[in-house]
Amino acid sequence: GQNIDQPTEMTATEGAIVQINCTYQTSGFNGLFWYQQHAGEAPTFLSYNVLDGLEEKGRFSSFLSRSKGYSYLLLKELQMKDSASYLCAVRGPGGGGADGLTFGKGTHLIIQP
Amino acid sequence: ETGVTQTPRHLVMGMTNKKSLKCEQHLGHNAMYWYKQSAKKPLELMFVYNFKEQTENNSVPSRFSPECPNSSHLFLHLHTLQPEDSALYLCASSQEMADQETQYFGPGTRLLVL
Repeated sequence: GQNIDQPTEMTATEGAIVQINCTYQTSGFNGLFWYQQHAGEAPTFLSYNVLDGLEEKGRFSSFLSRSKGYSYLLLKELQMKDSASYLCAVRGPGGGGADGLTFGKGTHLIIQP
Repeated sequence: ETGVTQTPRHLVMGMTNKKSLKCEQHLGHNAMYWYKQSAKKPLELMFVYNFKEQTENNSVPSRFSPECPNSSHLFLHLHTLQPEDSALYLCASSQEMADQETQYFGPGTRLLVL
């Protein structure tokens, strides 16, 4: 089966740091993605992890532990425009060819002044 | 702009209507996808096309019929839909065998079935 869990909603303060966690149990694993989605808009790609460890990209970092089925997205120096939903998605099962993504329900992040 | 366009952006249809959603990607990708996003539910994969061949149908009812005439265009034909089919329908594309095979999404078609 496929199951991806992430918190429904989080609140943080402008200029601070926030960590959004994601745990997954999937029948196959071929990479984990984080997307940002503003209300009424398409998801936009933020980060990709396929090996264990931390990937850093400006204010955004993403971490993966395959043995624990766990990832987090870290956002630093928060800005008001970071208020959005953050979607964790796993690609699988792998083995060649195109694989669809299995998404979590998304974490709605609210940034307060 | 992600290089993936979808038309129409909004669609209202009755349960007896037939309509089609269109997706076009300008990224030179070889895989295309349809996803459904309903309120309070995760994005759900519907169909996968790889090199114009359908490689995955995620148990989607037959009232949704995909078509992929070439690697740049993808359609979703709709007929005799139900009110519970009202949702945001998102198209995505990716380049298979590339390093990350990241999927890039279009803006979506917001569908209301009356």
